[in-house]
Amino acid sequence: AQSVTQLDSQVPVFEEAPVELRCNYSSSVSVYLFWYVQYPNQGLQLLLKYLSGSTLVKGINGFEAEFNKSQTSFHLRKPSVHISDTAEYFCAVSEGGATNKLIFGTGTLLAVQP
Amino acid sequence: GAVVSQHPSRVICKSGTSVKIECRSLDFQATTMFWYRQFPKQSLMLMATSNEGSKATYEQGVEKDKFLINHASLTLSTLTVTSAHPEDSSFYICSARDAGSPLHFGNGTRLTVT
Repeated sequence: AQSVTQLDSQVPVFEEAPVELRCNYSSSVSVYLFWYVQYPNQGLQLLLKYLSGSTLVKGINGFEAEFNKSQTSFHLRKPSVHISDTAEYFCAVSEGGATNKLIFGTGTLLAVQP
Repeated sequence: GAVVSQHPSRVICKSGTSVKIECRSLDFQATTMFWYRQFPKQSLMLMATSNEGSKATYEQGVEKDKFLINHASLTLSTLTVTSAHPEDSSFYICSARDAGSPLHFGNGTRLTVT
């Protein structure tokens, strides 16, 4: 069975500082990995995804993530955060196939302070 | 880009009544739709997967007779919470995809059962 672990429930950071949100997964087969952002009382917006190819994936809003198969990680990074980046971030894994069912991590609240 | 519309965004109902939530794909044919439930400050838990024209597949622990899912067309899926109770109060999010495409999420429905 696949699972996703986001060890940090909340990450406080000052504006313009770099940030890394951690994500580790477990799966017995090859996976697809995703990062989503959720603003209060809204649905999820896809930030980026890893399906295959280059292990460094660039997404929207200046975010990027690196797939590390040996460490089973897919950490999300941004070199300089803005107040508007304050939101809940979810890492998710899918074992692909026709259904693309996603399994989500517990989320990390990124709290950007001025 | 692809858009998934979820309606209503908020609903308050009395205990014992039923409430229907609609999920529509606006510019693509959604062969598969997923329904998630999110408790406050928690992750999204997959409730069921529905494919157009067939019965939904429910995750373990989800009561199929309580959470009725209908996916009658390629652009519409509905979730009906029957005989709602206060513990059913939650944030419900749908997502939809076409074959080979990534998931697109609706903006969610906040259900409050009084």
